[in-house]
Amino acid sequence: GIQVEQSPPDLILQEGANSTLRCNFSDSVNNLQWFHQNPWGQLINLFYIPSGTKQNGRLSATTVATERYSLLYISSSQTTDSGVYFCAVEPNYGGATNKLIFGTGTLLAVQP
Amino acid sequence: DAEITQSPRHKITETGRQVTLACHQTWNHNNMFWYRQDLGHGLRLIHYSYGVQDTNKGEVSDGYSVSRSNTEDLPLTLESAASSQTSVYFCASRVSRNTEAFFGQGTRLTVV
Repeated sequence: GIQVEQSPPDLILQEGANSTLRCNFSDSVNNLQWFHQNPWGQLINLFYIPSGTKQNGRLSATTVATERYSLLYISSSQTTDSGVYFCAVEPNYGGATNKLIFGTGTLLAVQP
Repeated sequence: DAEITQSPRHKITETGRQVTLACHQTWNHNNMFWYRQDLGHGLRLIHYSYGVQDTNKGEVSDGYSVSRSNTEDLPLTLESAASSQTSVYFCASRVSRNTEAFFGQGTRLTVV
């Protein structure tokens, strides 16, 4: 089945720093989402981004589906950005379609 | 506001008991999913449904069952709870394939 790998696995930032998180996937996909899991465990939708670039405040994301990767940019990080960031993809083949497969996650800690 | 809710939020049960976790969404979404989240494994798909009377097994379905008698609900049943099923369970829904998925708050289940 499809492999979804995220890097880096862990990241520590000082408040105000910028960062780039990466999601690589091993096969073609129809759909890609980025989520933030906050320290209380809640999964928050960040971006629905099968292709192209989107921005929402200090966060932006780019998906290059043909090269099988997506990037999440966090600028001017704040302590509230801490948590785990997941990408999830919907494979574009056979019986694997119509379900979201999650990546391994990036654990981000933003220090004041 | 339309939403997706899980209940209970926390549950402790004994080994061998039958347990049902509820998931209810008010968006009229066709697709619904159950995931479990464990340290070191990320989110793994248990069961999913494309619509009423449709259910499908995910990658970790052993010991779990679901039923879809209406659009709004997808209850997850552990037939005979085992300690290995101690986990955090998330329910999700979306309109159809290739659309954005939304997650409930999660249910923390402990089997003792």
